[in-house]
Amino acid sequence: IVLTQTPLSSPVTLGQPASISCRSSQGLVHSDGNTYLSWLQQRPGQPPRLLLYKISNPFSGVPDRFSGSGAGTDFTLKISRVEAEDVGVYYCMQATHFPWTFGQGTKVEI
Amino acid sequence: QVQLVESGGGVVQPGRSLRLSCAASGFTFSSYAMHWVRQAPGKGLEWVAVISYDGVGKHYADFVKGRFTISRDNPKNTLYLEMNGLRVEDTAVYYCAREGLPPNMDYWGQGTLVTVSS
Repeated sequence: IVLTQTPLSSPVTLGQPASISCRSSQGLVHSDGNTYLSWLQQRPGQPPRLLLYKISNPFSGVPDRFSGSGAGTDFTLKISRVEAEDVGVYYCMQATHFPWTFGQGTKVEI
Repeated sequence: QVQLVESGGGVVQPGRSLRLSCAASGFTFSSYAMHWVRQAPGKGLEWVAVISYDGVGKHYADFVKGRFTISRDNPKNTLYLEMNGLRVEDTAVYYCAREGLPPNMDYWGQGTLVTVSS
């Protein structure tokens, strides 16, 4: 499964919204009916951190300015109001089909 | 709190071997599947291998099949990655990650750098 993210780079303004798209080469609905599409954040010099799982469910401690949506093959991560700490690279990841795969990453910079 | 600490990285010549470790704490290690994911310098994330909670099930990315072996020691709360026949293109930071429920990678270690160079 190939995950294609757009844009690859996203200049943003503090306090403004940002949006990242992730398109899958195949549908991501599992045989159990769930869609295992996650979003991860990697700040500079840091390991990845889980933000959202199953398209839109926030992981523990994730600010509510992060939200996810989508279905089938098209998914979106939105940041409602970008803060300075949001700078980094964002990856979508699918765990529906084996092997698990990642998007190529989207760099969010101020 | 959940902690994953990798070790064992370093500089190694092509064709040589290296064993990475990932020490887990803060959760019941023996209840979770575990993954290795790597990131070449300046590049994206690449899944390497996964091992089931009991160590029975193992799966590998095609590019490491036959060269890398994932294993775990549940009483020691430690995950391993034995890497043989290393290639220059295996140069990367190697992360261990816990597989959460529903399936995702919910906790990551800080990573250990493996550099393959002559």
